[in-house]
Amino acid sequence: QLQLQESGPGLVKPSETLSLTCSVSGDSISTGSYYWGWIRQPPGKGLEWIANIHYGGSTYYNPSLKSRVTISLDTSRDQFSLKLSSVTAADTAVYYCAKAEVAFGGTGYLDHWGQGTLVTVSS
Amino acid sequence: DIVMTQSPDSLAVSLGERATINCNSSQSVLYTSNNKNYLAWYQQKPGQPPRLLIYWASTRESGVPDRFSGSGSGTDFTLTISSLQAADVAVYYCQQYYSTPLAFGQGTKVEIK
Repeated sequence: QLQLQESGPGLVKPSETLSLTCSVSGDSISTGSYYWGWIRQPPGKGLEWIANIHYGGSTYYNPSLKSRVTISLDTSRDQFSLKLSSVTAADTAVYYCAKAEVAFGGTGYLDHWGQGTLVTVSS
Repeated sequence: DIVMTQSPDSLAVSLGERATINCNSSQSVLYTSNNKNYLAWYQQKPGQPPRLLIYWASTRESGVPDRFSGSGSGTDFTLTISSLQAADVAVYYCQQYYSTPLAFGQGTKVEIK
């Protein structure tokens, strides 16, 4: 049974960099033709896709966040990570990691999700 | 970018009755080469991550009750709950995966009348 678990600081100061890690268990991050991605949800609001990465190294970003986001893989640890720089209060959200079945380049439906982690941006 | 719009924003349905949620995409998500619609539906209960219900617009994910069904093609899609159960109280989202950026509808909240 594939499982994903987010980890990282729950509080980040404005202008600093938010860093989260997703640990994958139950399967290797390098097997299969999947994307691994991040989605966020501000409190009481809807879902926003942030980025996807393929184990082969291809990355795909939401243009609205691209200048501030980096997604990366650590296949040796079956983990992938998100970095979001220059955060503001608007970046306060529950951040989910997820696995996507590959459809087109960078796209897919999200069939496994982590439980999510709340990140608050505040001084 | 493709924009997804759901209607209604919320609906209240009696137990055992049908619930219907609509989703419209600003561009077609039908890929004519394989005749597949790149459209998924998710259910999210409070405090939980979204759960995949439907993909390819009408394929039910393993373990999803058959009272959930998806239909539509091109730009207009529907999620139907044929006989609403108390466990179905949740927010439902559609999502297009035809192109990046992946986009979700704003969500439809389903409650018991």
